[in-house]
Amino acid sequence: GDSVTQMEGPVTLSEEAFLTINCTYTATGYPSLFWYVQYPGEGLQLLLKATKADDKGSNKGFEATYRKETTSFHLEKGSVQVSDSAVYFCALSKGQAGTALIFGKGTTLSVSS
Amino acid sequence: DAGVIQSPRHEVTEMGQEVTLRCKPISGHDYLFWYRQTMMRGLELLIYFNNNVPIDDSGMPEDRFSAKMPNASFSTLKIQPSEPRDSAVYFCASSPGGGRQPQHFGDGTRLSIL
Repeated sequence: GDSVTQMEGPVTLSEEAFLTINCTYTATGYPSLFWYVQYPGEGLQLLLKATKADDKGSNKGFEATYRKETTSFHLEKGSVQVSDSAVYFCALSKGQAGTALIFGKGTTLSVSS
Repeated sequence: DAGVIQSPRHEVTEMGQEVTLRCKPISGHDYLFWYRQTMMRGLELLIYFNNNVPIDDSGMPEDRFSAKMPNASFSTLKIQPSEPRDSAVYFCASSPGGGRQPQHFGDGTRLSIL
């Protein structure tokens, strides 16, 4: 079945370091891909998305490129801040009406000053 | 615009009691999702509705769990009787369409069953 695999955390970085969180997926067809972020005590928020191969989603300095050849959607940021500390979820959708998102298990990011 | 509103934010109750969680989706969204989040199992989809009709409840763990959506602006998730292993954070989310549309999450209900 369809699935999403994320790198296990926690990821611990110093402020201004480069961030990569790996995400790979298994799905038939052409899914849409998403990154969500969850700050402590809050629900998930959409961070960025890409709907077709080679699309690049970006928001708040974060980027991810939809790579169909490697079935990947890695999240990157050039310079992290303490305020980026959160749990990051990769997700996919097959796009048909009546289908739900499939989430990865989440990766915890901790940034120290 | 108001986001997805869940109540209560926190619930502590004793094993065997009935628990009711509530959700008000964003106006105009025709899909509503209930999730459960735990450290062990991560984020699990329990059930989702389209236009107030349950579409997929295969994630509901047991018959003790039930969900309803009597109208477009309200949904409940009920656990009866509750057990300690039901302790988790329960999220409600809504979207303006299934599939490729992003979901908007509430802040969740942290449930503790003693």
